[in-house]
Amino acid sequence: KAGVTQTPRYLIKTRGQQVTLSCSPISGHRSVSWYQQTPGQGLQFLFEYFSETQRNKGNFPGRFSGRQFSNSRSEMNVSTLELGDSALYLCASGPGGTDTQYFGPGTRLTVL
Amino acid sequence: KQEVTQIPAALSVPEGENLVLNCSFTDSAIYNLQWFRQDPGKGLTSLLLIQSSQREQTSGRLNASLDKSSGRSTLYIAASQPGDSATYLCATAAGYSTLTFGKGTMLLVSP
Repeated sequence: KAGVTQTPRYLIKTRGQQVTLSCSPISGHRSVSWYQQTPGQGLQFLFEYFSETQRNKGNFPGRFSGRQFSNSRSEMNVSTLELGDSALYLCASGPGGTDTQYFGPGTRLTVL
Repeated sequence: KQEVTQIPAALSVPEGENLVLNCSFTDSAIYNLQWFRQDPGKGLTSLLLIQSSQREQTSGRLNASLDKSSGRSTLYIAASQPGDSATYLCATAAGYSTLTFGKGTMLLVSP
C-alpha cells in the first residue's frame, strides 16, 4: 500500500502571500489530520477532517483553513503568510477511530 | 488541556546499551498513546500504539508501557544501534484522531 503523500515537499513564499498544501492519505483511510511543527512549539494540531467534514480544530488563527474531497484527499490553505508560519507541515491519515496515525513526509514552508 | 512532557530532552549512549525514554501526560482520559520516531527533516514513523485498556506493546527490540492512572509511559529500547539515532516522540489521543505531542527525546547512539 502506498503511504501518505504530500505535495509540494518544499515551498518558499514571501509575507502576505497565500499557499495551498496537498495531502493524499493511504487508500481506504477517511481521516486526515494536519500538524504544524516548529523548533520552538513542537508539533501542534491544526485540524482533522473525516468524510469531508471538519471534526476538530486546533488553536490557530482563521488564516489557516482546510478541506477534504470525496476521495479523502485534503488541502490546507494559509492566507496572508507571516514569518512565523515557516514550519514543517505534516499530514496524517487513519481509518478514523483510535487507530494508528500514519504520517506523510511533510511540506517544508519557508516564509521570507 | 492535555500537556505531554518527555524526559530527557536529549540522550547519548554507546551502541549496545539498553535505554528507557519517558513520557508523562496530565490528563488520563486518553484513548491511546502512540510512540513515533522522526529522522531529521523527515516525517514521523509510527513505532507502537498502546490502547487505553492495554498495559504494554512490543515490537522487536522496542517495548512500550502505559500507566494511565499515573499519567506515564515508557519506551524501552534493547541493545541500541546507531540506526536508532533519531528523535522519539510520544503522543496521546483524546478523541477522534487528534494527537497531543511531547517535545521529543533526541537520541544519539554512537558506534
